[in-house]
Amino acid sequence: QSVLTQPPSVSAAPGQKVTISCSGSSSNIGNNYVSWYQQLPGTAPKLLIYDNNKRPSGIPDRFSGSKSGTSATLGITGLQTGDEADYYCGTWDSSLSAYVFGTGTRVTVL
Amino acid sequence: QVQLQESGPGLVKPSETLSLTCAVSGYSISSGSYWGWIRQPPGKGLEWIGSIFHSGNTDYNPSLKSRVTVSVDTSKNQFSLRLTSVTAADTAVYYCARTGHGSGRFFDYWGQGTPVTVSS
Repeated sequence: QSVLTQPPSVSAAPGQKVTISCSGSSSNIGNNYVSWYQQLPGTAPKLLIYDNNKRPSGIPDRFSGSKSGTSATLGITGLQTGDEADYYCGTWDSSLSAYVFGTGTRVTVL
Repeated sequence: QVQLQESGPGLVKPSETLSLTCAVSGYSISSGSYWGWIRQPPGKGLEWIGSIFHSGNTDYNPSLKSRVTVSVDTSKNQFSLRLTSVTAADTAVYYCARTGHGSGRFFDYWGQGTPVTVSS
């Protein structure tokens, strides 16, 4: 089981906002940078956010990231049907000396 | 544009060794970055397997460390994964990825993934 906990699913209507939490500890989120990945059905994960709140080129500003203490949050505004996917947080865990992913959250657009 | 492509057998027998290669184009492995392997069992989440720096330094997931070897061939601009003594629990889609340049570790470019089934 993962050391990073995410809600199994979140949902909202088109145009609305969703937030996805990622809860960890001082050995991972608390002292390391967090990244977020989007995995559309049947495809490879895609980087959405790195270094807690930075967006790679080409990622719309509808996606945002933040971190506070031992938790991180991904926000998606202006929800679109194309945003239906699984979302994972990730970070380095200094105690495990391993990169760890969150449990994953399925976003459904109602 | 950086591109990664996994290749290797899609079927491996139990107790045998899984071997995959990731060919990199659009970026020279010798230029830097960590290069990693991540897997995803059917219907489950992502699991980091291990990473290698262009110089050969490696990091492995402690849960797999005794069975994993990641190596790099800069002359071919590719890196490889070996996982020994496989069982059905190793059945997964295996992805190779590049670690991006930032303050923390993250994977910015991914291969499309290759499914591997462990079965006799």
